[in-house]
Amino acid sequence: QSLLIQPPSASGTPGQRVTISCSGSSSNIGRSTVNWYQQFPGTAPKLLIYSNDQRPSGVPDRFSGSKSGTSASLAISGLQSEDEADYYCASWEDRHNGEVIFGGGTKLAVL
Amino acid sequence: EVQVMQSGAEVKKPGESLKISCKASGYNFTNYWIGWVRQMPGKGLEWMGLIYPGDSDTRYSPSFRGQVTISADKSISTAYLQWSSVKASDTAIYFCARGASGYIFDYWGQGTLITVYS
Repeated sequence: QSLLIQPPSASGTPGQRVTISCSGSSSNIGRSTVNWYQQFPGTAPKLLIYSNDQRPSGVPDRFSGSKSGTSASLAISGLQSEDEADYYCASWEDRHNGEVIFGGGTKLAVL
Repeated sequence: EVQVMQSGAEVKKPGESLKISCKASGYNFTNYWIGWVRQMPGKGLEWMGLIYPGDSDTRYSPSFRGQVTISADKSISTAYLQWSSVKASDTAIYFCARGASGYIFDYWGQGTLITVYS
């Protein structure tokens, strides 16, 4: 069981706005920033959002991130079929001399 | 252009040793962390550890400390992940990635599939 809790699945129809949550604690999200990764089957993950709400160059502004307290969210507006993928949040955990932790991942289906 | 290229797939028997590589180019290798991430079949991402090639500072996940060794050769901009004795449970895809500010993994290798079976 990951220290960052994500819903295992999410879904939406084209054009909709969907959000994916990532719930942590005071020892991780509560004191560190959150990054989000997108992964298509059989490929490497891709950085989607970093430092809670920053988009790397080339990531469409349909993707946005936010953080409040010990939780974070990824929002995808104007959902497209090509957004169907797995999404992972990640943060820094301060216990055990520090470690990177990933959420369990959310499989997004575009119906 | 930043690129991260990993070594090819490996098939090993239990008990064999293994070392896989991650070669970076297009940036100053010594100024960024390299992280390793495991993905078991059909499962999520697990962080294994980080190395800062500039001074070889290495951090391990508690889950992987003592199970693997992370190293780097800055003369050839390459990081390594090695096992002294693989197990069937090590069967997975292993990714390396450049770590900006430690754990912002902004460029990923293509992954190395490790299959361990007798």
